[in-house]
Amino acid sequence: QKEVEQNSGPLSVPEGAIASLNCTYSDRGSQSFFWYRQYSGKSPELIMFIYSNGDKEDGRFTAQLNKASQYVSLLIRDSQPSDSATYLCAVNIGYGQNFVFGPGTRLSVLP
Amino acid sequence: DVKVTQSSRYLVKRTGEKVFLECVQDMDHENMFWYRQDPGLGLRLIYFSYDVKMKEKGDIPEGYSVSREKKERFSLILESASTNQTSMYLCASSAQDTLLGEKLFFGSGTQLSVL
Repeated sequence: QKEVEQNSGPLSVPEGAIASLNCTYSDRGSQSFFWYRQYSGKSPELIMFIYSNGDKEDGRFTAQLNKASQYVSLLIRDSQPSDSATYLCAVNIGYGQNFVFGPGTRLSVLP
Repeated sequence: DVKVTQSSRYLVKRTGEKVFLECVQDMDHENMFWYRQDPGLGLRLIYFSYDVKMKEKGDIPEGYSVSREKKERFSLILESASTNQTSMYLCASSAQDTLLGEKLFFGSGTQLSVL
């Protein structure tokens, strides 16, 4: 059984702080990694993806991947109340379009 | 602009009814997916399709079937709805995969309640 795990939260951070969201996966053959943001009552939207070990930055978001540790994280700098949402980690295990999603971490940014 | 449209936002059905959930995408994507999302369980893949008339079972296909007669349309069918199929259903599409996969575009979801 391929698994993706995340802390369900809620993770609460003050406005302006760095929010750190973590994800671990069980399949060493996993090839690509995605972070989706889902506002309450809305559908998920892609915010970051990463394929290679290391960091990838896009604006206030940084994705970090460590394949040896089977660990991927999302950092949100200068967190804003509008970042309050559930963040879903998704892993593509490398053949076809077989994505496995984690249960999501609920983030609350406090003004 | 990318668009995946699901026919209904909310749906209430009775146990034993046949239920059709429709999804249409306008991006000419090859791949289409049906997920259900339940609290604490995340998104689970029901079925996906990588071409017209092609379908593959996902992780939880029992009690569901799908139809893809046209590239832009992917339908999810509940042959005989049961209360444990009450859930949020999300349709998604993506372009033909590269070796490393492609990002998913989601519809707005259908909240199905089976009474």
